[in-house]
Amino acid sequence: EPEVTQTPSHQVTQMGQEVILRCVPISNHLYFYWYRQILGQKVEFLVSFYNNEISEKSEIFDDQFSVERPDGSNFTLKIRSTKLEDSAMYFCASTQGGVYLYEQYFGPGTRLTVT
Amino acid sequence: GIQVEQSPPDLILQEGANSTLRCNFSDSVNNLQWFHQNPWGQLINLFYIPSGTKQNGRLSATTVATERYSLLYISSSQTTDSGVYFCAVDGKDALNFGKGTSLLVTP
Repeated sequence: EPEVTQTPSHQVTQMGQEVILRCVPISNHLYFYWYRQILGQKVEFLVSFYNNEISEKSEIFDDQFSVERPDGSNFTLKIRSTKLEDSAMYFCASTQGGVYLYEQYFGPGTRLTVT
Repeated sequence: GIQVEQSPPDLILQEGANSTLRCNFSDSVNNLQWFHQNPWGQLINLFYIPSGTKQNGRLSATTVATERYSLLYISSSQTTDSGVYFCAVDGKDALNFGKGTSLLVTP
């Protein structure tokens, strides 16, 4: 069964460093998402991406975040200058169509620890 | 935005017991999904169920869209069912998650 994959599974970085989290969505999906989950809290939406541009973003997704689809398979989330409060689990997700009509599939997550 | 409330927040069961988890939402939805977050933090899709009833083994779910709630039933619980169960509905171009129900199944 097709699945969303994410790398790395765990990343430790120092405050102020740039990190790039990588995702490979399901191949025939057109909509891509990033969510984050701070330890012990609920999953929160960061950004959605369709047709090579951001379609929606939350207030969490400020100027230190960016997303890119550098080729036909990868979808990346970059955090320019990490802060302690960026420590969280980051999930990538994809759907065939808009979330209001199609099931959303999640990757296994990348646990980011900022020290 | 749409509000998603899950109950109970915590649940402890003995192995073999049955349970019902509830998800209330504040507005009409086109997408409702149930997830299980395992101890490793992975989100496992359980059901895509904007309306109606579905079953998958010991798990089943029912969504009554007109009354704005969904129920997840776990029968004959096993220790491997432990974890957090999340309900999520479609918000503005993304899923809006509830705070989850934390389930612990003891031997």
